[in-house]
Amino acid sequence: LAKTTQPISMDSYEGQEVNITCSHNNIATNDYITWYQQFPSQGPRFIIQGYKTKVTNEVASLFIPADRKSSTLSLPRVSLSDTAVYYCLVSTLNTPLVFGKGTRLSVIA
Amino acid sequence: NAGVTQTPKFQVLKTGQSMTLQCAQDMNHNSMYWYRQDPGMGLRLIYYSASEGTTDKGEVPNGYNVSRLNKREFSLRLESAAPSQTSVYFCASSEAQNYGYTFGSGTRLTVV
Repeated sequence: LAKTTQPISMDSYEGQEVNITCSHNNIATNDYITWYQQFPSQGPRFIIQGYKTKVTNEVASLFIPADRKSSTLSLPRVSLSDTAVYYCLVSTLNTPLVFGKGTRLSVIA
Repeated sequence: NAGVTQTPKFQVLKTGQSMTLQCAQDMNHNSMYWYRQDPGMGLRLIYYSASEGTTDKGEVPNGYNVSRLNKREFSLRLESAAPSQTSVYFCASSEAQNYGYTFGSGTRLTVV
């Protein structure tokens, strides 16, 4: 399974764009990159998934370079309600998701 | 649409007691999972069931047993609780093992 590395924590002010980068050097050809968000006292919830280039939805954007050895989750104009832990995962076919410790994002007013 | 329902939400056990955590999903998902989360840690997979009738060990299965009762329900049993099993337990389900997980709200278990 491909291991992921991401910062332990990040701080941001409200209204700023936040970029969280994750490295996954040994990602396999058929693997996808998936991000989950977890608020305190709740289970994680799916944010976004991609294979290469750029994916955007109503919550976030995901940028994946051509070599796919890293990815960046971009949260536009964060608010206090975006304070959460963000997990970067490599999704392998027929294999359960493995969660690391994630990145704890604190948004400051 | 309830999604994934876990019961109970809170439980305190004495060392050596047994209990079963219940999980049910109403999304007709094939796969179900049990994770535990300790303070400051990510989620660790205890057991999973890729489809009805199958179960497999995850990263930390010792001290636990599971039953995939039917497609909807997946229970986790602690036969003899230990303080090291104090944790928040999350159940999840998905259509495929590597995609589209929906998590329950968790069971906070304390073993004293």
